[in-house]
Amino acid sequence: TQLLEQSPQFLSIQEGENLTVYCNSSSVFSSLQWYRQEPGEGPVLLVTVVTGGEVKKLKRLTFQFGDARKDSSLHITAAQPGDTGLYLCARGLSNFGNEKLTFGTGTRLTIIP
Amino acid sequence: DTGVSQNPRHKITKRGQNVTFRCDPISEHNRLYWYRQTLGQGPEFLTYFQNEAQLEKSRLLSDRFSAERPKGSFSTLEIQRTEQGDSAMYLCASSLGLSNTEAFFGQGTRLTVV
Repeated sequence: TQLLEQSPQFLSIQEGENLTVYCNSSSVFSSLQWYRQEPGEGPVLLVTVVTGGEVKKLKRLTFQFGDARKDSSLHITAAQPGDTGLYLCARGLSNFGNEKLTFGTGTRLTIIP
Repeated sequence: DTGVSQNPRHKITKRGQNVTFRCDPISEHNRLYWYRQTLGQGPEFLTYFQNEAQLEKSRLLSDRFSAERPKGSFSTLEIQRTEQGDSAMYLCASSLGLSNTEAFFGQGTRLTVV
């Protein structure tokens, strides 16, 4: 059972556009991680957020953790073809997510050159 | 390469056969996790080890599945009497097991049961 809902499920946009994807749950997270997964590969960790309201930036990627720690968003500015992939959010049991993770169903992003 | 290594990368097997996958974690990582990912879904937790001890198993891990980590280093995941529903990507991850660390995933083993 997936406890995390991600939206949209699919997103296809032109290179250079901005986009936001979302991760929502009815329960509070102790921590939340965002991963990117390319076809045939394992997920690669992008960021971990722990504190409600926290904002973290990774180059053109901005991650926000909701104040109530029930939701998170990932915003990409000026998307590039290299951003194409499956974006997964995951919640951990501990503050640093190093026990088992529960993943969302993912947002499959395609950037069109 | 010091990342998590999984073998084989791909496995095609006939229904009813047994299969075994191997995972070599990053050296000195105490924790090792197994996940399963089906098409269009996120990974689902199967089990994890702290050194050689298997600390938790998901209800997804039926009696046909067994995982071991005998010396606290590499791990194996065996599926007996495979079924078509076992077709999936099997992912392994490892972490130091201390606070403030991340889990690193391998490239996975894609199993197809025909």
